[in-house]
Amino acid sequence: DTAVSQTPKYLVTQMGNDKSIKCEQNLGHDTMYWYKQDSKKFLKIMFSYNNKELIINETVPNRFSPKSPDKAHLNLHINSLELGDSAVYFCASSPRSNPTSLNTEAFFGQGTRLTVV
Amino acid sequence: AQSVTQPDIHITVSEGASLELRCNYSYGATPYLFWYVQSPGQGLQLLLKYFSGDTLVQGIKGFEAEFKRSQSSFNLRKPSVHWSDAAEYFCAVGSAGKSTFGDGTTLTVKP
Repeated sequence: DTAVSQTPKYLVTQMGNDKSIKCEQNLGHDTMYWYKQDSKKFLKIMFSYNNKELIINETVPNRFSPKSPDKAHLNLHINSLELGDSAVYFCASSPRSNPTSLNTEAFFGQGTRLTVV
Repeated sequence: AQSVTQPDIHITVSEGASLELRCNYSYGATPYLFWYVQSPGQGLQLLLKYFSGDTLVQGIKGFEAEFKRSQSSFNLRKPSVHWSDAAEYFCAVGSAGKSTFGDGTTLTVKP
């Protein structure tokens, strides 16, 4: 069974469109994340959710809106796509997260390669 | 603020040779440190982690890393590299709900 699964794996779309990427984890983790990996392979956190609540938003444009219907899912919706949004987007999860707890490792999905044309 | 530096963008080693990938971190308290590997077209897989205790940690696939507080380093090593180790390697420091990643080191393995 896939621990952290993302769909779709590849997404090609035109500028200005709205698209969503879905993420599900079956590990029973409390915390989920979205990371963006650009063409130079730099990996940057975008959002972090703990038990469906947003705890980190790293100055991401408000065209990006994460939604967590339950703690096993964290979807990423992107409005008005721009060329610069082309990247690989990784979903990840970890067992727990709060400022005073140990920060355990993250388990990553396979990534979604988004190409905006 | 926490940060991670991987000084080497690209490293090439011959198969069977030893490997060391460098990682330096900046963090105000005791860091939680990780090494991940990303194979082409794949997600990130955890190789090893350090939270406390023994400063030499063993990971999967024959990798190890040594935490040196005085040097703010957490270098990854492997005594004998295999062709299948060719990948992107990321060092990360974690705290307060997120991991901050270095910019990665690309490892190429020559036959």
